[in-house]
Amino acid sequence: KQEVTQIPAALSVPEGENLVLNCSFTDSAIYNLQWFRQDPGKGLTSLLLIQSSQREQTSGRLNASLDKSSGRSTLYIAASQPGDSATYLCAVTGTASKLTFGTGTRLQVTL
Amino acid sequence: DAGITQSPRHKVTETGTPVTLRCHQTENHRYMYWYRQDPGHGLRLIHYSYGVKDTDKGEVSDGYSVSRSKTEDFLLTLESATSSQTSVYFCAISEQGSGELFFGEGSRLTVL
Repeated sequence: KQEVTQIPAALSVPEGENLVLNCSFTDSAIYNLQWFRQDPGKGLTSLLLIQSSQREQTSGRLNASLDKSSGRSTLYIAASQPGDSATYLCAVTGTASKLTFGTGTRLQVTL
Repeated sequence: DAGITQSPRHKVTETGTPVTLRCHQTENHRYMYWYRQDPGHGLRLIHYSYGVKDTDKGEVSDGYSVSRSKTEDFLLTLESATSSQTSVYFCAISEQGSGELFFGEGSRLTVL
């Protein structure tokens, strides 16, 4: 059974800092990995999708990497801003297109 | 933003009553999903659909049924609501079974 872990569960950083969020998964037989952000009381917003054949994806200040063999992905946020405060979740798509979510990292960017 | 609308957004009901949540999409995506989100459990798949009238169970399907009579609508029904079904319910869509997932804003259900 696929298990997805995100550490730390919560993170607080000052504005302007670069930061890395971690996601690890136990079964490397995945089709893709997605990163989402969720604001309080809202749905999930897709940030980046990395196919299993890719090593990384970039969107603006966000860069996600994937190391399938080691079961790890990182989400790098450059020059963090208070508006980046949210919960970040990763999810992997495995066999039979089954999606497994991590429980998220709650990020707070302080002024 | 993907065109996904969930209704109702908030509902309070009593144990034993039936409840139906609706998900409507304007993207013409083939796949539609119902998830529930609970503290400590993250997001868990209830049911999903891979086409009109084609549905299958997820990991927490007991006590729930779904129907999809049109591409754009996916209904989640709790035949007899229980307090353990108090949760936030999210609808999601994707073009392909292993494709990028887009979520609705959620429906908060409280069962007293």
